Amino acid sequence: GAVVSQHPSRVICKSGTSVKIECRSLDFQATTMFWYRQFPKQSLMLMATSNEGSKATYEQGVEKDKFLINHASLTLSTLTVTSAHPEDSSFYICSARDGRQGRLSGNTIYFGEGSWLTVV
Amino acid sequence: GDSVTQMEGPVTLSEEAFLTINCTYTATGYPSLFWYVQYPGEGLQLLLKATKADDKGSNKGFEATYRKETTSFHLEKGSVQVSDSAVYFCALSITGGGNKLTFGTGTQLKVEL
Repeated sequence: GAVVSQHPSRVICKSGTSVKIECRSLDFQATTMFWYRQFPKQSLMLMATSNEGSKATYEQGVEKDKFLINHASLTLSTLTVTSAHPEDSSFYICSARDGRQGRLSGNTIYFGEGSWLTVV
Repeated sequence: GDSVTQMEGPVTLSEEAFLTINCTYTATGYPSLFWYVQYPGEGLQLLLKATKADDKGSNKGFEATYRKETTSFHLEKGSVQVSDSAVYFCALSITGGGNKLTFGTGTQLKVEL
């Protein structure tokens, strides 16, 4: 079946540095990808919607200059956390919509394994 | 706005016990409802869904019924197994909302022998 892969699964970086997380669809083309973050004991919160070849659409309250999203191909979207700070430490997870399928039916969305970011 | 509330975990059960994980929602539009499961070290997987009131989603022995009158979508299983140990997320999506999912906080289930 369809698989979405995220890398790295865990990353530790120093405060002030930037870190990139990749999200790949392995056996389908993803016209749309979504980035979520989750704080401990809280919901997964949608950060942005990434469409191939166009600018990402950010949710209210998400800083687009801090969380750079690039969806340069139909199988890869990247999230770059720039000038990371300890408060950016979180679980980031992506999902991808299989463009071959039709309108939303729920089972067209596939999730990655998630990436744990720790900023020290 | 849209929101999903589900019971806090962890929920610890013995094998073959009955499982209920409560989920209620508020939605500005007409939602579809989902349960996702995340096994250790893996991504979220769709477990079941329901797209309209009174629909029952079912998969792998799990069931959930879309109750519009109580705005609920409780997850149930009659006899859990150790392999069901995972985190379960309730979620909704508004029709025409561009595939955006609103999640609950997740409920960790631990099943012991």
